[in-house]
Amino acid sequence: EAGVAQSPRYKIIEKRQSVAFWCNPISGHATLYWYQQILGQGPKLLIQFQNNGVVDDSQLPKDRFSAERLKGVDSTLKIQPAKLEDSAVYLCASRASGTGANVLTFGAGSRLTVL
Amino acid sequence: AQSVSQHNHHVILSEAASLELGCNYSYGGTVNLFWYVQYPGQHLQLLLKYFSGDPLVKGIKGFEAEFIKSKFSFNLRKPSVQWSDTAEYFCAVNARSNYQLIWGAGTKLIIKP
Repeated sequence: EAGVAQSPRYKIIEKRQSVAFWCNPISGHATLYWYQQILGQGPKLLIQFQNNGVVDDSQLPKDRFSAERLKGVDSTLKIQPAKLEDSAVYLCASRASGTGANVLTFGAGSRLTVL
Repeated sequence: AQSVSQHNHHVILSEAASLELGCNYSYGGTVNLFWYVQYPGQHLQLLLKYFSGDPLVKGIKGFEAEFIKSKFSFNLRKPSVQWSDTAEYFCAVNARSNYQLIWGAGTKLIIKP
């Protein structure tokens, strides 16, 4: 099966600019996650979708970050305006439904550098 | 609050050495436990997982991990490492009641040829 697709792989912007990342999960996976991974740290959950609904966005800095999954398939994460501390890898992951499907599959990530 | 602690941020070993990476978590309930690996330039991928049953689980590439409930630990082991095991290793835990993964900070493993 095809994996989780993410783009762009790399993005360099200046602070106060905006950026958007795209994710296409594994076909049929109802749950989609966006994580932020800062160098030297483990992934931090930003937002979790179940189909097109938000399950958890408690750690999403909503003053500058937004995410959507309008049709319950692919998703976009936006940062506007970006700050220096947003430099990180943004990981998308997906998971199938059901109690036996407890494993996340990750995309390659989008590395953001804010100058 | 739930947390996951990985004991070492960096580990350097020679080829054929034995490996043990520590992972401890704080959560009183029933958990699922994972080790993920990220090879240089690649995405995170599942190394092994524990849901229930035999507390000694075997994963890919000769890795294994032992769940010791009394110690809240899930240490990763490999008897003889190879240069290709150079990667960053992440321990993660989620409560059975939800699928929210809590991640450790990761351990960077460097194997000297």
